[in-house]
Amino acid sequence: EPEVTQTPSHQVTQMGQEVILRCVPISNHLYFYWYRQILGQKVEFLVSFYNNEISEKSEIFDDQFSVERPDGSNFTLKIRSTKLEDSAMYFCATKREPYNEQFFGPGTRLTVL
Amino acid sequence: AQSVTQPDIHITVSEGASLELRCNYSYGATPYLFWYVQSPGQGLQLLLKYFSGDTLVQGIKGFEAEFKRSQSSFNLRKPSVHWSDAAEYFCAVGARQAGTALIFGKGTTLSVSS
Repeated sequence: EPEVTQTPSHQVTQMGQEVILRCVPISNHLYFYWYRQILGQKVEFLVSFYNNEISEKSEIFDDQFSVERPDGSNFTLKIRSTKLEDSAMYFCATKREPYNEQFFGPGTRLTVL
Repeated sequence: AQSVTQPDIHITVSEGASLELRCNYSYGATPYLFWYVQSPGQGLQLLLKYFSGDTLVQGIKGFEAEFKRSQSSFNLRKPSVHWSDAAEYFCAVGARQAGTALIFGKGTTLSVSS
């Protein structure tokens, strides 16, 4: 069964550093999402991406965040200058229309020191 | 405002007993509804979904959920809980439109006692 994959599984970084989280969507999926889950809290939407542009973003997704699909396969989330409060599990999700079921990757745990 | 409420933060159930996890939503239109399960340190696995049609939906691992439009609820049930069901359960809603995000509840942690 096709799966969404994410790398790395765990990333430790120093505050102020840039990080790039990578996701490989299921091959025929067209819609891509990033969510995050701060430890012990609920899953929160960050951004959705379709047809090479952002469809929707939350207030969490400020200028420090960016997304792109650089090579037509990977879907990346970049945090330019990480803060302590960016420490969270980041989930990539993808879906194929017309089905509105999102498939989630296993997540990347980001730890900012 | 759009929201999902899971009133129970933590539930403990004896193995073999029945389970019901509550989910209420507030949404502007008829939503798509989902239940996801998350084991410690793992990602989110879809248990079941409701798009349309029969309001009682069956999912994996013996779970079912019933959509009640009048109550804006989508409660998850299982007739007999197994120890391996111990996990965190999230209810989520989404719009019937392409590209829109899921809105998650805060989750219910299920513990199973022997």
